[in-house]
Amino acid sequence: QKEVEQNSGPLSVPEGAIASLNCTYSDRGSQSFFWYRQYSGKSPELIMFIYSNGDKEDGRFTAQLNKASQYVSLLIRDSQPSDSATYLCAVKPAGGTSYGKLTFGQGTILTVHP
Amino acid sequence: NAGVTQTPKFRILKIGQSMTLQCTQDMNHNYMYWYRQDPGMGLKLIYYSVGAGITDKGEVPNGYNVSRSTTEDFPLRLELAAPSQTSVYFCVTGSPRGRDTQYFGPGTRLTVL
Repeated sequence: QKEVEQNSGPLSVPEGAIASLNCTYSDRGSQSFFWYRQYSGKSPELIMFIYSNGDKEDGRFTAQLNKASQYVSLLIRDSQPSDSATYLCAVKPAGGTSYGKLTFGQGTILTVHP
Repeated sequence: NAGVTQTPKFRILKIGQSMTLQCTQDMNHNYMYWYRQDPGMGLKLIYYSVGAGITDKGEVPNGYNVSRSTTEDFPLRLELAAPSQTSVYFCVTGSPRGRDTQYFGPGTRLTVL
C-alpha cells in the first residue's frame, strides 16, 4: 500500500511569517507531487505540482522535493490570514498505467493569525 | 463552460437505501475519478475511468458501483447505504494531455443515518 503522510497539525504561524508544510511518501518511484489547498466546506484547489527533476517557485509558494529522504515540502512566504486552510499533499505513482490516480495525505491544517 | 458539476450537493439517506451521485463534465476529459473524504482525512479513490466504457476499482470500492457510458457522465451508485458511507464525495476529471492538472467538482455531502 503506497502511503502519503502529513502532520495533521494544526500549524499556527503569525501573519508575515514563513509556513512550512511537509509530506513524506513511501513509493520511491513516485515522479509527480502535488499540493492542494482546501478551504472549509470547499473542494481542493491545486496550488502547485512538481516533478522529480526539481523544485518550483510560484509567487509566495515554493515546493521542494527531497528524493533521498522521500519528502516534499511547501513553503508559504509572507503568510496571510487568507492562507488559513487545509493543505493536502498528493503523489502520483510512477508508471504509464497510473492514469493520473493520486494518493493523498490526510492534510495539514494551517492557521495564520494576525 | 461549467467544468465539473455534481448533484445533489447534500443528501441524507437512511440505512439500506440506494442512490446515485451524478457527475458531469464539459471539458472532454478522458479521465474521471470518484474520491471520498472523511473528516480530518485525505481523499480516498473509490473508482476511476480512463474513457467511455472503461472503469476500474480504486482503493475503497466496496459498496459502490460506477458506469461510464459517455465521456461526459460518470455516475456513482450506492447500494444498501451504510453509516460508514457518510462522507463528502468528489468527482474529479483529468486529461492525459493536461500535464497532471485535475479538476474537482464542488462535492456531494452525504449522511447515512
